Formats: sequence, C-alpha cells, structure tokens
Amino acid sequence: EAQVTQNPRYLITVTGKKLTVTCSQNMNHEYMSWYRQDPGLGLRQIYYSMNVEVTDKGDVPEGYKVSRKEKRNFPLILESPSPNQTSLYFCASSLTSPQETQYFGPGTRLLVL
Amino acid sequence: GNSVTQMEGPVTLSEEAFLTINCTYTATGYPSLFWYVQYPGEGLQLLLKATKADDKGSNKGFEATYRKETTSFHLEKGSVQVSDSAVYFCALIDTGNQFYFGTGTSLTVIP
Repeated sequence: EAQVTQNPRYLITVTGKKLTVTCSQNMNHEYMSWYRQDPGLGLRQIYYSMNVEVTDKGDVPEGYKVSRKEKRNFPLILESPSPNQTSLYFCASSLTSPQETQYFGPGTRLLVL
Repeated sequence: GNSVTQMEGPVTLSEEAFLTINCTYTATGYPSLFWYVQYPGEGLQLLLKATKADDKGSNKGFEATYRKETTSFHLEKGSVQVSDSAVYFCALIDTGNQFYFGTGTSLTVIP
C-alpha cells in the first residue's frame, strides 16, 4: 500500500532533550516536506526537500533540522526542543514537485514540557 | 510575502445546503492554488487544484475557480452531505516550491 509513515505518533518529552521524528514513503517520491499545525495558524512549512541531499527552509525552520540521505526517508530533528515546539507535525511527499498531489502522513503529536 | 486568507469558521450547515468557503491570496508571480481537506484524526488530502488563471478545479462535487483579478479561489459545493464534515485548507505554492496554507475552515454538516 502506498503510504507515508511517521514515527512516533505521539511523544511527550522535556525541554532540551534531542528527538527525531521519522518520515518514510514507499512511493519513490522526490519531493518531501514537513509541516506543523497549530490552532488558529493552520499548517506552516518547516523544511522541504526536492530530492536526495537537497533541502530548503520553509516558513518556520528555526529550531529544526532535516536530512535527506535516502529518497524514502526525511527525518525531522529537534536538537533542543522547547515548549513552543509543542504541535502536531505532518510529513508529506509528492512525485516530483509540490505542484502535484501531496500525500500526507498520519501526523505526530508532540508535547514539550 | 506570500499568504493565504480564509474565512473564519466554524461553519455549520444543514444537509443539502449550499457551501461557500472564501479564500483569497497574496503572491508574487503566478502561484498554483489548492484546496486540501482534513477529516478528523487524519492527515490532509488533496481535494482540488488549479494551476493558472480561470482554471476550475473540481472533485467530489466541490469546485473552485482561480480568479486572478480578485486573487481568489473560493470553494463551493451545491449540496453538502454529513460526510463532508471536515476542516478545509486553501493553499498556494509559489515559484520557489514553498507551500503556504490558510488557517483552515471547520465545516460541520448536520442531518
């Protein structure tokens, strides 16, 4: 089944403890992206990647890192999480460009205490 | 900079009522425009899109027309169903491949 998977789905952590949220797609998509969803703010793009080893900042990249070493994986790294990074995070992918249909993962709900 | 503005929700309609959700945008150049839908507890799904002025996107009875003169992309459906209850997001992508979403409009359809 074609899908985007994220792990973990739920995470509670403490300020400053490094964490990684994984994202994987099995559709051989080139474009991948991370978003955060907050009440009243909608979705905001954190980082995106057009292909392996190519990443670009979105609207709200501060406090986040990404890497794209393989086509299928696009992990989101929070080196030193803070409470303002408490949010619902979505990974998405599309075949070659975001102009095409983006397929979203199920979301990761993160709480930083 | 680029941005998307959607009408505030929540919107509550009776089944078979007409739906309009307003969306306007600000962008440099010629963006592509999208409507995504999020059902409870799920990720977003593409509903429809339009890539140039005067294009009409349509899917599942929903329609939206790319109006460059009014910088709008309003979502419409002639007769909503209970199963249409969801959050609807208007979005645009600019020439730099960066996505911009609106804040979302929650729709509840009651029988």
